[in-house]
Amino acid sequence: DAGITQSPRHKVTETGTPVTLRCHQTENHRYMYWYRQDPGHGLRLIHYSYGVKDTDKGEVSDGYSVSRSKTEDFLLTLESATSSQTSVYFCATNWRERGGQETQYFGPGTRLLVL
Amino acid sequence: RKEVEQDPGPFNVPEGATVAFNCTYSNSASQSFFWYRQDCRKEPKLLMSVYSSGNEDGRFTAQLNRASQYISLLIRDSKLSDSATYLCVVNPPQGGKLIFGQGTELSVKP
Repeated sequence: DAGITQSPRHKVTETGTPVTLRCHQTENHRYMYWYRQDPGHGLRLIHYSYGVKDTDKGEVSDGYSVSRSKTEDFLLTLESATSSQTSVYFCATNWRERGGQETQYFGPGTRLLVL
Repeated sequence: RKEVEQDPGPFNVPEGATVAFNCTYSNSASQSFFWYRQDCRKEPKLLMSVYSSGNEDGRFTAQLNRASQYISLLIRDSKLSDSATYLCVVNPPQGGKLIFGQGTELSVKP
């Protein structure tokens, strides 16, 4: 268990409003990731972080920004939410499985509906 | 060509059946491979890693064929609780980010 929580777990908002999702981990993992998951597209990487204040874009970063001021917290912000950002958002951290290979462990997800 | 491709299914099988999923990947230098399971409306969870020599965990067997660039997952004696979406996951050579397939849906019926 990599001790990941996400907040809020559900959110309904209106088009044009800013939204911030929080990912919190307790295991001091260096890497953290934000994904969105939509039917027909699978998991798509939005942004990731490889350390405090070190972030980089994923494949679907337009309309999203991130911040990581502490190791344990990775924030995803939708500056001006659009209906196309209605999705399920998952946070993940890097994690070494019992065989020694590096993989990822996911948080429980946030369901976002933009009206 | 997608980096990781899976048959989306759904695979509808009776309890007790054996079912196999395949997955192909495009980058021959990929480093490590995994199968994740995702239940409806839940987060993906690691099911098992895939090792070059093949590996087994109870009713689940994973195999890797580097020459043909495919990974397989075999589930024997299917249970109702095996119903889920199975994600093929590849760690590319540069590391740091995983590549996920779109998933194969399995439905096990009584």
